[in-house]
Amino acid sequence: GAGVSQSPRYKVAKRGQDVALRCDPISGHVSLFWYQQALGQGPEFLTYFQNEAQLDKSGLPSDRFFAERPEGSVSTLKIQRTQQEDSAVYLCASSPPQGPTDTQYFGPGTRLTVL
Amino acid sequence: AQSVAQPEDQVNVAEGNPLTVKCTYSVSGNPYLFWYVQYPNRGLQFLLKYITGDNLVKGSYGFEAEFNKSQTSFHLKKPSALVSDSALYFCAVRDIAYGNQLVFGAGTILRAKS
Repeated sequence: GAGVSQSPRYKVAKRGQDVALRCDPISGHVSLFWYQQALGQGPEFLTYFQNEAQLDKSGLPSDRFFAERPEGSVSTLKIQRTQQEDSAVYLCASSPPQGPTDTQYFGPGTRLTVL
Repeated sequence: AQSVAQPEDQVNVAEGNPLTVKCTYSVSGNPYLFWYVQYPNRGLQFLLKYITGDNLVKGSYGFEAEFNKSQTSFHLKKPSALVSDSALYFCAVRDIAYGNQLVFGAGTILRAKS
């Protein structure tokens, strides 16, 4: 079946612009995660949804970052007033509703470059 | 707090030789451990996981990993490397005491040459 998809795959923004990154999880997956992967580093957790509820946003680096999943499927990560330090690959992952032993399945990521 | 260490930035191996990519972890409770592989310009691809039970876990593409509780390690292994195994490998841990997110190591580049 179809995996996790993300769009756009690449985004170039001028500093100060707002961006919106989209994630389409695997159909039927209840849990959805966003991670940020800086160059040469491992992914770092940003936020977690179970259905439409955002249960954990402890990893969001500032109030410029906002995520939503209004209907419990597609999710959008929005970054306001982008800064150069926001340049990274943003990864989305989804998992079935089986609890903490779930495997998270990742999308291809969106590479954001802020000039 | 939970953490993962991958002590080697890069591992070089000749095709046909066994490979090992090292991972150690630190958690407060029972660890759930994962290995992912990342190819250039692609997302992370799941290889295998340890939840409970047999310490030797078998996964995709001939990879396996051995959970060692006393050494807090979860090394990734393959008996015979292929050139196509060349990629970036990430070890990750989930400690449910801290939530459902994965905590990743910094990654290890594997280079397999013919």
